[in-house]
Amino acid sequence: AQTVTQSQPEMSVQEAETVTLSCTYDTSESDYYLFWYKQPPSRQMILVIRQEAYKQQNATENRFSVNFQKAAKSFSLKISDSQLGDAAMYFCAYRSDPQGGSEKLVFGKGTKLTVNP
Amino acid sequence: DAGVIQSPRHEVTEMGQEVTLRCKPISGHDYLFWYRQTMMRGLELLIYFNNNVPIDDSGMPEDRFSAKMPNASFSTLKIQPSEPRDSAVYFCASSFRAGKYTQYFGPGTRLTVL
Repeated sequence: AQTVTQSQPEMSVQEAETVTLSCTYDTSESDYYLFWYKQPPSRQMILVIRQEAYKQQNATENRFSVNFQKAAKSFSLKISDSQLGDAAMYFCAYRSDPQGGSEKLVFGKGTKLTVNP
Repeated sequence: DAGVIQSPRHEVTEMGQEVTLRCKPISGHDYLFWYRQTMMRGLELLIYFNNNVPIDDSGMPEDRFSAKMPNASFSTLKIQPSEPRDSAVYFCASSFRAGKYTQYFGPGTRLTVL
C-alpha cells in the first residue's frame, strides 16, 4: 500500500519570504498523481497544485511550485513571497495509477504553516 | 459553478442517535468520495462511488456506517447508532476522469457525538 510522509508537523515563515514543505511517498507504481491541498482554519480543502508522475517538468501555480524528484520519491512544495493568507495546514496526497489503481487519495499527516507579519 | 455542497455544516447529537450527512457533487462529476478527518488518524477514505455505484467501501469502519448514492446529484452517509468515537469532520469530494482525477472537496460536516 502507498504511504505519504510529511516530516515537518509545523513550519513558520516571515511574510514575503520563501518556504519549502517536504513530502515523501512510498510506491511501487510508475504512474501516479501527486497533489498539495491547503486547509485554512475554515477547514475547506483547497487544491493548491497537481503533478503527474510521467511529466518531468515541475508544476507551478503562481507563487506555488513543486520540486518533484521521482527517483527519490520526493514531492516538496515551495511557496514564494509568502502572504498572511497562506497560513494553513498543507496536505500532500498521492493518487494511484490512473489505468487501474484505486481512485482514492492517500494523505500525509499535514504540515501547519504559520506566516509571521 | 457551485462547488461540492454538504449539509449540515455542524451536527451535534447524542450517543445512540442516527446521523445522516448529505452531499451534492459538482454537476458532471462521475466520482464521489466520502472522507473522515480526525486528529488521530488524519484524512482517510471511507467509500467512493463511480456513476452512483459503490466501488471501494473498505474504509467504512463498521456496519454502523452506510452510504448511498441514489442518483448522480446526491449522496448520503449514515451512522446508526452513533458513538462518541465517530466525532470527526466528514468531507465529501467529487471528480471526473476527464479532469485528471483532481478531487474537489466540500466544506465538510463537523460531527460531535456526546
